[in-house]
Amino acid sequence: NAGVTQTPKFQVLKTGQSMTLQCAQDMNHNSMYWYRQDPGMGLRLIYYSASEGTTDKGEVPNGYNVSRLNKREFSLRLESAAPSQTSVYFCASTLSGINYEQYFGPGTRLTVT
Amino acid sequence: DQQVKQNSPSLSVQEGRISILNCDYTNSMFDYFLWYKKYPAEGPTFLISISSIKDKNEDGRFTVFLNKSAKHLSLHIVPSQPGDSAVYFCAANSGAGSYQLTFGKGTKLSVIP
Repeated sequence: NAGVTQTPKFQVLKTGQSMTLQCAQDMNHNSMYWYRQDPGMGLRLIYYSASEGTTDKGEVPNGYNVSRLNKREFSLRLESAAPSQTSVYFCASTLSGINYEQYFGPGTRLTVT
Repeated sequence: DQQVKQNSPSLSVQEGRISILNCDYTNSMFDYFLWYKKYPAEGPTFLISISSIKDKNEDGRFTVFLNKSAKHLSLHIVPSQPGDSAVYFCAANSGAGSYQLTFGKGTKLSVIP
């Protein structure tokens, strides 16, 4: 039981490049989330998927797109990376929206130069 | 507008003593509160939570206290151990089907042997 896994662990992009961050969970959770964490800041919600087939914007969605590929997988895409998107990205999941305890992956450290 | 505030960026405590981490919130719709612990280069892990219908919840060395009238909660760790050294995030949820957690900026706890 791996919990929540994220790939890659590290990535360096040039401004304007695109990439997709992958997330998968094996806990049969319904809800999945993408956060970013910047120095001195808490975690800020980018997008979430309450259940398979649905996605919604969080606090900071601009510059990102998401896909809930199936119940297990939730990907985050940066179409044209900007230096302001340099951050650590965390994926999380929870059984359902009424179970508030979210389980987090290990994070992806992204640098945009 | 920061709805969940952790006003102490850092805290140092001697091993064996009590650690008290504080959190204030402004949104009166919040009715469920969580504490997460985060080690460097890892994702946050759930520690303890409390519903607004309670004023105290204990789990081993960890106790969370909620003062709704003051919109304040605190996490007590007794006794503190060096392995408790981490960043602690306070988070809140407004319930009513909300899927979003709002996080504070975190407090870095250092337990000195």
